[in-house]
Amino acid sequence: AQTVTQSQPEMSVQEAETVTLSCTYDTSESDYYLFWYKQPPSRQMILVIRQEAYKQQNATENRFSVNFQKAAKSFSLKISDSQLGDAAMYFCAPSTIQTGANNLFFGTGTRLTVIP
Amino acid sequence: SAVISQKPSRDICQRGTSLTIQCQVDSQVTMMFWYRQQPGQSLTLIATANQGSEATYESGFVIDKFPISRPNLTFSTLTVSNMSPEDSSIYLCSVVREVGYEQYFGPGTRLTVT
Repeated sequence: AQTVTQSQPEMSVQEAETVTLSCTYDTSESDYYLFWYKQPPSRQMILVIRQEAYKQQNATENRFSVNFQKAAKSFSLKISDSQLGDAAMYFCAPSTIQTGANNLFFGTGTRLTVIP
Repeated sequence: SAVISQKPSRDICQRGTSLTIQCQVDSQVTMMFWYRQQPGQSLTLIATANQGSEATYESGFVIDKFPISRPNLTFSTLTVSNMSPEDSSIYLCSVVREVGYEQYFGPGTRLTVT
């Protein structure tokens, strides 16, 4: 099984500023995917961004980007130009795929507050 | 993406009873999963729902407590049996269209056991 560590239980950011959420993980697999999900108070899990481990290029999705360091097993999320709607719990989740299982392993989450 | 619905959205149940949660997807998917999210906690995978065969359970979860069905490629049910207050959680289903691709989640079912 994979282990996932999100060392920041809570973070806050001023509206329009940039914030980075950290995530480290441990896996014995060489090929896998990594995801960031957000969960607003509505509790709906929403996919934020996806990264394939075999790709060196960091994924970007509008204001969201990642810094993926495979050797260090680090997968941080950067949110630029933060908006009030970004306030949520953010979960880092590597996925195992080599067995065809596609299981997600979730970190403990980081609660992001956006200050107007 | 995928449109996923869950029924019921919430329920309050008495200790010792059972509740069946339904998950419906708008189109056929390869894989379906069930997760539990206890209050203030992260998500824990309960099992993978396999179409036409028994579900694959994660460590700590057993079929007698959480029987799962998946009769076709768009529908699955999770039953929480002989409930206790410790079963109070949000239960979420998720789906994958192709292995290796992102999971999409349903809106969740908030269960309270009194």
